Amino acid sequence: SQQGEEDPQALSIQEGENATMNCSYKTSINNLQWYRQNSGRGLVHLILIRSNEREKHSGRLRVTLDTSKKSSSLLITASRAADTASYFCATDARGIQGAQKLVFGQGTRLTINP
Amino acid sequence: DAGVIQSPRHEVTEMGQEVTLRCKPISGHNSLFWYRQTMMRGLELLIYFNNNVPIDDSGMPEDRFSAKMPNASFSTLKIQPSEPRDSAVYFCAVDEQFFGPGTRLTVL
Repeated sequence: SQQGEEDPQALSIQEGENATMNCSYKTSINNLQWYRQNSGRGLVHLILIRSNEREKHSGRLRVTLDTSKKSSSLLITASRAADTASYFCATDARGIQGAQKLVFGQGTRLTINP
Repeated sequence: DAGVIQSPRHEVTEMGQEVTLRCKPISGHNSLFWYRQTMMRGLELLIYFNNNVPIDDSGMPEDRFSAKMPNASFSTLKIQPSEPRDSAVYFCAVDEQFFGPGTRLTVL
């Protein structure tokens, strides 16, 4: 299975601090993606990083990818209360006829305390 | 564009009843996915379509589950008969970026 595994399962920090979440996976990938899910809501795509990329930024988000270690990290800088959510990594699997499907990890529950 | 639309948003039914979940995807995207999310198992891919054709249904748990995509603008996921263990949030997504808000299904 290519399932990503997030670490830690839960993280609680103070507003303004940085939050780092990690994801490990088992087999080779084409790309890895991070999603956010607010309680009771759907998933929101945050960022995609390709296997030939090592780092990517989007606003306060920074994603790194180490294919030799089969791991990725998501860093949220200067956290805000609105960042409270679950964060998932997803790795790709190329299905039949080229359609891409994702395999999700169990997620990290992030709580930002005011 | 209103994004991926799912209906109903909440469904409560009794064991044995038929349940139909609906998805209206964003136009212009070729792949549509149905996921199920539970606390115990996380997010699981049930089935995905490419150009309206079912490609991989290996994630469909049992014959009680079926999915159709009669055209590019509509898909259904049907459970017949439903069981309490089917209780979950069911998401429809297009490509890998756009998820619907989900349908929370409770089977009593």
